[in-house]
Amino acid sequence: AQSVTQLDSQVPVFEEAPVELRCNYSSSVSVYLFWYVQYPNQGLQLLLKYLSGSTLVKGINGFEAEFNKSQTSFHLRKPSVHISDTAEYFCAVSVTGFQKLVFGTGTRLLVSP
Amino acid sequence: DAGVIQSPRHEVTEMGQEVTLRCKPISGHDYLFWYRQTMMRGLELLIYFNNNVPIDDSGMPEDRFSAKMPNASFSTLKIQPSEPRDSAVYFCASSGTEGAPVTAFFGQGTRLTVV
Repeated sequence: AQSVTQLDSQVPVFEEAPVELRCNYSSSVSVYLFWYVQYPNQGLQLLLKYLSGSTLVKGINGFEAEFNKSQTSFHLRKPSVHISDTAEYFCAVSVTGFQKLVFGTGTRLLVSP
Repeated sequence: DAGVIQSPRHEVTEMGQEVTLRCKPISGHDYLFWYRQTMMRGLELLIYFNNNVPIDDSGMPEDRFSAKMPNASFSTLKIQPSEPRDSAVYFCASSGTEGAPVTAFFGQGTRLTVV
């Protein structure tokens, strides 16, 4: 079975600072990887996804993530965060060929002035 | 497209009452998912459908929960009888196998409070 670990439950950061949200996954087969963002009282919105090809994936709002197969990681990065990036971020994995997503427990990004 | 539409957005009910949550997936999507989100357990997949047929309901917590998808544009999640521990945000999501495979689009959620 697949699983996702988001080691940091909360990441505080100052505005305009860089940030990295960590995600590690466990799977014995090839996977698709995703990052979703959830703003307060909203549904989940897709930030970016890795299906195949280049291991560096760029998403919306200036976010990017790098797939590292040897370390089974898919960390999310942004070089300079804004107050508006304050939200909960979820990493998810899906086994290739299947539609079912397994989510991590989420990381709350808190951006302060 | 208006996206995945869930109703109601908020529901407050008394313990023991029946609750029905509704979902309209994105037109053309052939997969539909029901998730539950709580502080304690995070996001849990309850059940998902493919072409209106339930594929995996292993996440449904108990017999009080049931889900149906009578057609491609509508699904319901029913809890009968409801209990306080069912209080959570319930999300519906849909995805298709063409164009943007495996990308699930989520609705705004239904916040259920059972008192």
